[in-house]
Formats: sequence, C-alpha cells, structure tokens
Amino acid sequence: NAGVTQTPKFRILKIGQSMTLQCTQDMNHNYMYWYRQDPGMGLKLIYYSVGAGITDKGEVPNGYNVSRSTTEDFPLRLELAAPSQTSVYFCASSLVDGYTFGSGTRLTVV
Amino acid sequence: KNEVEQSPQNLTAQEGEFITINCSYSVGISALHWLQQHPGGGIVSLFMLSSGKKKHGRLIATINIQEKHSSLHITASHPRDSAVYICAVRRSATSGSRLTFGEGTQLTVNP
Repeated sequence: NAGVTQTPKFRILKIGQSMTLQCTQDMNHNYMYWYRQDPGMGLKLIYYSVGAGITDKGEVPNGYNVSRSTTEDFPLRLELAAPSQTSVYFCASSLVDGYTFGSGTRLTVV
Repeated sequence: KNEVEQSPQNLTAQEGEFITINCSYSVGISALHWLQQHPGGGIVSLFMLSSGKKKHGRLIATINIQEKHSSLHITASHPRDSAVYICAVRRSATSGSRLTFGEGTQLTVNP
C-alpha cells in the first residue's frame, strides 16, 4: 500500500519554464489536495478535488492548473514558472478525515 | 490575524520533560488535526479530534470546542520527538474537507 506518491522530489526550473508535479494515491480517496509550504508559513491550499472530474481553487491558485481525470491521479501544472513559486509542494488525499500526505516536492525557480 | 494560531513557535526541551503545544482557532470547525513534520519533510497525521481527548503512546491531544482551543502534550519527551508539530482545522460547512493550517511549532528535544 503506497499511500500518496509524489514525483519528482526535487526540481530546479528556470523562469518561464513549465512542469507538472505528479500525484497518485491508491487508497480510493475521493478528496485530493495540493498545498504549498513556504518557510515560516502554514501550508496554503492551491487546488483541491472532491472526485474525478471535479476541481476547485483554493487560497493561492494563481499560476497553477490541475486536472482530475481519474480517482487516483491529481497532477499540478505550473505554467510560466516564477521565483514566487519556489516552495515545497505537498499532495494529500482523504476521505472526510484521515489525511495522507505525499513526501513533498521541493521546487526552486531561478 | 491567522484563523489558526499556535504557540510557542519554537520550543526546546530536555529529554524526559513534559511538553505542551497550544492551538487556538477563530472559526467554527468540524474537526481539528495534529500533524508531525520531520526534518526530511514528510507530514504524518497524529490525531483527528472533534471533541474530548485522544491518547496514542506518549502523545495526548485535547480539544475544548467552547474555548476554541486544543493542546498537544508529549510525556517523557525524547530526542526522536524533535519535529515540527502542526495544528490544522477543518472548518464547518467546508467543501472537500480542506484544512486551514497553523504555522507550526518547531520542537527540539536535547539528550
């Protein structure tokens, strides 16, 4: 039982480049989330999904996009990377409660 | 003002000490979570509370809904307890069970 798998673990992007952070869960959770964690700050919600085909914006969605074509996968797309997107990104999934987090992706935009 | 406030921000203790981390929130909630984040970065769920008290090993979590306050206690602390402890709340009537997080408490336990 792998839980929530995030890839890659580390990435350096140049300003203006694009990338996709992958997230897969094998627990058949309906709810999935993308959070970012900046130093000294609490985790902030970027996007979330309540089920396949349904996504919605969180607190800090600008510069990101998501899709949820299957229950298992919830990729996060960064278009035109900016230095402000340097952060640690966490994917998570849950039923109503009972959260499981991925191991995080450390992204640096230079 | 953040909706979820934790105190202290940093805490240093000697091995064996009793530790308390506090969390106050300003919104109506359905549940409160305590999470642990180790230096490697991974986040693990410790407790989910909607009322009362829960205990797991040396960890105890309590919540007072009327006072909008929760505490995480660690008894007989050990260096391996060194981590960031994060309080998070699921607001009432929130879609998708998303959480609002405190900024975390950095705990260091010295041998």
